[in-house]
Amino acid sequence: QKEVEQNSGPLSVPEGAIASLNCTYSDRGSQSFFWYRQYSGKSPELIMFIYSNGDKEDGRFTAQLNKASQYVSLLIRDSQPSDSATYLCAVNDYKLSFGAGTTVTVRA
Amino acid sequence: EPEVTQTPSHQVTQMGQEVILRCVPISNHLYFYWYRQILGQKVEFLVSFYNNEISEKSEIFDDQFSVERPDGSNFTLKIRSTKLEDSAMYFCASTRTNTGELFFGEGSRLTVL
Repeated sequence: QKEVEQNSGPLSVPEGAIASLNCTYSDRGSQSFFWYRQYSGKSPELIMFIYSNGDKEDGRFTAQLNKASQYVSLLIRDSQPSDSATYLCAVNDYKLSFGAGTTVTVRA
Repeated sequence: EPEVTQTPSHQVTQMGQEVILRCVPISNHLYFYWYRQILGQKVEFLVSFYNNEISEKSEIFDDQFSVERPDGSNFTLKIRSTKLEDSAMYFCASTRTNTGELFFGEGSRLTVL
C-alpha cells in the first residue's frame, strides 16, 4: 500500500485565519491526490482533488501539488468553526490510500 | 441527492460469529469498495469490486472476509468468524469512474466482544 504521511496535529487556528495542512507520499509515480474531510464519528467526504503541479482553488480551499517533492498541501482560508474536522490526504492507485489525517480545530 | 446507504449502523457480536454488513451503492456507480477504520486510526482499504469480481484486496482482507453483489443493488461484506481486532467502523464507498472521487456511506460500527 502506498505510504501517505500527514502531520497528525492537532492544528488549532483562530476563526478567520488560514489553516495549512501538509502531506507527503512515497510513490513518485502517483498521479492523483485527494483531500477528504471527516467530522468526528462520520464518514469521509471529498473536498477536492488535484492532478497537476501547482495550485487549484475551490472556494475557501486551495490544494497545492509538487510532484518533484512528492508533496501535497491544503490551505483553508477564512477558517470557520464548521471547518473543525480531521482532514485526510489520499493518493489514488485504483484505490485510495489515506494518510492518518490532521485534526483541525478552529477557535471562535 | 443520491447517497450510499449502509446497514446496520451498529452491530455487536460475539467473537467467532459471522457478520454481514450491507451496502447499497449509488445506482449508476460501477466501482465499489470497503474500507475500515479502527477507532483513532486511519481509514484502511480492504477491497475493491468491479464488474462482479474483486479487482484488488489488501493484506487485511484474508480468508475470513468475502464480498458479494447478490443482486443489482446490494454489496455485502461478510466476516466469517469475527475476532476482537475486527472491531472497527466499516465504510462502503462507490464511484462511477474509479478516479478516486469516492462517495462513502455513513458506516457500520462493528463491536466484537
